[in-house]
Amino acid sequence: AQSVTQLDSQVPVFEEAPVELRCNYSSSVSVYLFWYVQYPNQGLQLLLKYLSGSTLVKGINGFEAEFNKSQTSFHLRKPSVHISDTAEYFCAVSAPNFGNEKLTFGTGTRLTIIP
Amino acid sequence: DSGVTQTPKHLITATGQRVTLRCSPRSGDLSVYWYQQSLDQGLQFLIQYYNGEERAKGNILERFSAQQFPDLHSELNLSSLELGDSALYFCASSVGDAGLAQETQYFGPGTRLLVL
Repeated sequence: AQSVTQLDSQVPVFEEAPVELRCNYSSSVSVYLFWYVQYPNQGLQLLLKYLSGSTLVKGINGFEAEFNKSQTSFHLRKPSVHISDTAEYFCAVSAPNFGNEKLTFGTGTRLTIIP
Repeated sequence: DSGVTQTPKHLITATGQRVTLRCSPRSGDLSVYWYQQSLDQGLQFLIQYYNGEERAKGNILERFSAQQFPDLHSELNLSSLELGDSALYFCASSVGDAGLAQETQYFGPGTRLLVL
């Protein structure tokens, strides 16, 4: 079984500063990794995903994440945040399973942008 | 707007009752997924339907059931409700059932259930 740990439940960041949201996973097999964003009163939206290949993955809204197999991490980064990035961010993992994958989510990190 | 609609938006009911949550997927999507987001359990996958058939099952209680109808809308039935069932229930849809590598799940805004 896979599991995901998001150590930071809340991250406050000043506007236009860089941010890194941490995600570590545990799995005995190869994995797919995802970052989702949940804006207030909305459903989740896929930011980016890692399946295989290049370890640096670029997503929407200027976010990127780096897969690090040796450290079992998939941290999310943005070089300069905006007020509109205020949201909850979820890291998720799944094992490849011939179309029968199930997402396991972390507990989420609430990103608050300070003007 | 993801194109996935869920009704009702809010639901307040009492313990022991039964409720039905409804989800309409994006036009053309054949797969529907249900998730539960609660304070103590976090975000959990419950069940997936593809073109009317159950495709995958997660941490869904026996008191809960779901189905997908010929018009592809789906309903999640929650019975013998307990206080701990209070949560945000999300529905998501995707085009097919090729899996997470090829499919993107589009989430609805959720139904907030409060059991008193």
